Amino acid sequence: ETGVTQTPRHLVMGMTNKKSLKCEQHLGHNAMYWYKQSAKKPLELMFVYNFKEQTENNSVPSRFSPECPNSSHLFLHLHTLQPEDSALYLCASSQDITGSEKLFFGSGTQLSVL
Amino acid sequence: DQQVKQNSPSLSVQEGRISILNCDYTNSMFDYFLWYKKYPAEGPTFLISISSIKDKNEDGRFTVFLNKSAKHLSLHIVPSQPGDSAVYFCAASLDAGNMLTFGGGTRLMVKP
Repeated sequence: ETGVTQTPRHLVMGMTNKKSLKCEQHLGHNAMYWYKQSAKKPLELMFVYNFKEQTENNSVPSRFSPECPNSSHLFLHLHTLQPEDSALYLCASSQDITGSEKLFFGSGTQLSVL
Repeated sequence: DQQVKQNSPSLSVQEGRISILNCDYTNSMFDYFLWYKKYPAEGPTFLISISSIKDKNEDGRFTVFLNKSAKHLSLHIVPSQPGDSAVYFCAASLDAGNMLTFGGGTRLMVKP
């Protein structure tokens, strides 16, 4: 298995549910990211972790809670979401956050909040 | 306000012809630009990049042109192939880090 793997691929949840998205990278990278892609909108950066430390929180509501236990794994814990949070959530990794490193993306989790 | 814009949501091109995808940006501090390609049900994949010290970078059928004075970049694909049909995102970053700012994407359809 190579690259960046995200699970689940699809998720439907109610507004009172608690769920988690998982991301795993097998590239030996040190930086991991969560992006959100809503319909007809650009990809929005949510969180950045570098060497397991959060370096960026792009004004994301607290109902989204990231966790990075090690450089290979990244989680996004979800609770009391709103229907407008329905989107494609993409995980990415890069060697580090300096300069012009390319991002490697997972296939995403398509989230629907009912 | 979007700092990176792709004003054409879609583009249709005949196989064998040239595809030109455009991207405009407003932040003059951006100095590294990338194009990503996204197929349905897959994450974006890196395609080609260009540094602000260059005005052209070529990789096979793909060429990216950068016009800093106009804050405009374009991706040329020639010849276009049906397998190139995908959504193309341009992205820009500042030298200090890798916080990419993405455009909204252009869906390219290459007809056989």
